[in-house]
Amino acid sequence: AQTVTQSQPEMSVQEAETVTLSCTYDTSENNYYLFWYKQPPSRQMILVIRQEAYKQQNATENRFSVNFQKAAKSFSLKISDSQLGDTAMYFCARLSGAGSYQLTFGKGTKLSVIP
Amino acid sequence: EPEVTQTPSHQVTQMGQEVILRCVPISNHLYFYWYRQILGQKVEFLVSFYNNEISEKSEIFDDQFSVERPDGSNFTLKIRSTKLEDSAMYFCASSRDSYSYEQYFGPGTRLTVT
Repeated sequence: AQTVTQSQPEMSVQEAETVTLSCTYDTSENNYYLFWYKQPPSRQMILVIRQEAYKQQNATENRFSVNFQKAAKSFSLKISDSQLGDTAMYFCARLSGAGSYQLTFGKGTKLSVIP
Repeated sequence: EPEVTQTPSHQVTQMGQEVILRCVPISNHLYFYWYRQILGQKVEFLVSFYNNEISEKSEIFDDQFSVERPDGSNFTLKIRSTKLEDSAMYFCASSRDSYSYEQYFGPGTRLTVT
C-alpha cells in the first residue's frame, strides 16, 4: 500500500514563531499531487496548500509554504509567524495523478500555538 | 464562499439499523466523495462518485454501503445494517472537475453505533 507518514503526532510553537511539520510518502508514480489540510477543533478540514509533483517550485500561500523534495519523497509544511488560530490537526495527503481521485492521508500532527 | 454541508452533525443508532448520511456538495462541483475517520485513526477513503455512478471504492466500501445522488443537490451515504465498528466521523467532499484536484470537505457527521 502506498502510504503517507507524519512522524510528529504533536507539536507546539510559540505565537509569532515558525514551525515545520514533516511528511514523507511512498509512491511509484512520477506525477501526483500533495496537500496539507488543517482541521481545527470545529473539525471541518480546510485545504491549506497544494503542490503538483511536476512543479519544482515550492508552493506558498501567505504564511504557509512547503519544502517539496521529490527524490526524498518529502513534503514538509512551514508555518511562519504562527497565530493562535493555527492551532489544529494538520494532515498531509497525497493524490495519485493516474486518474484516481482517492486521497491518502497521514495520521496527522496536532499543532498547538502557545500565547 | 460556497461550502459542503452535511446533516446530521451527530447520529446515534442501534446496531443492525440502517442509517443515511446526507451531504450537499458545492453546487458547480461534479465529483463527490465519502471518507471516514475512526477516532484516533487516519482519514480513510470510502468511495468516489461521478456522473451518477461510483468511479472508485475502497475495500471498506462493501455491500453494506451504498451511495446515491437522489436529486440535483444531495449526495447520500447509506449503511444498510450498522455494526459497532462503523462508529466514526464521516466526511463528504466534492471537487469541481477532473482538472481541479482540490477536494473540499464538509464538517462531518459523527456516527455512533450502540
